Amino acid sequence: ETGVTQSPTHLIKTRGQQVTLRCSSQSGHNTVSWYQQALGQGPQFIFQYYREEENGRGNFPPRFSGLQFPNYSSELNVNALELDDSALYLCASSRWGLGETQYFGPGTRLLVL
Amino acid sequence: DQQVKQNSPSLSVQEGRISILNCDYTNSMFDYFLWYKKYPAEGPTFLISISSIKDKNEDGRFTVFLNKSAKHLSLHIVPSQPGDSAVYFCAAKWNNNDMRFGAGTRLTVKP
Repeated sequence: ETGVTQSPTHLIKTRGQQVTLRCSSQSGHNTVSWYQQALGQGPQFIFQYYREEENGRGNFPPRFSGLQFPNYSSELNVNALELDDSALYLCASSRWGLGETQYFGPGTRLLVL
Repeated sequence: DQQVKQNSPSLSVQEGRISILNCDYTNSMFDYFLWYKKYPAEGPTFLISISSIKDKNEDGRFTVFLNKSAKHLSLHIVPSQPGDSAVYFCAAKWNNNDMRFGAGTRLTVKP
């Protein structure tokens, strides 16, 4: 059983650029959630995808968008990058359901210059 | 809005002793709580969870206690081991799609 994987591991972009981060969910999981973790803080919920549709969103602007594919993998896209977007981006997969645990990937560290 | 708070940024304990990590929350709608452990350069690893219908859940050396009236939960690690040294995050959710995390507590277990 493979765990959650994310790519790339590190990324450097400049302000105003666009970035796409990728996540492969754990085998048997149909739900993917994305989180942003700034330095010294806990992860903050960006959004969740279930059955290829967005199923809940945190307090992030529309320039944060995502996709889920039929194989349950997912992408996070961020347009018009700002310096404050520099953070660790975490993907978590789970089965659908309140009591289902989310399992995290190693994250992608994004630096915006 | 800080709906989940971990007021102690760090905790240091001696190997073999008990580690107690605390977490407070403000949203009474939360009904599922989790603890994650995070090592540097890795994603958070699930440790233990508890539903709001329970007040205690135990898994080996790890026990989570929930006090709903006080909106407080704690994680007990007994006995603490040097390999437990990591950042511990408390998380809470009330539906399937929005898990709120505390800022984390860095636990150091000294040999």
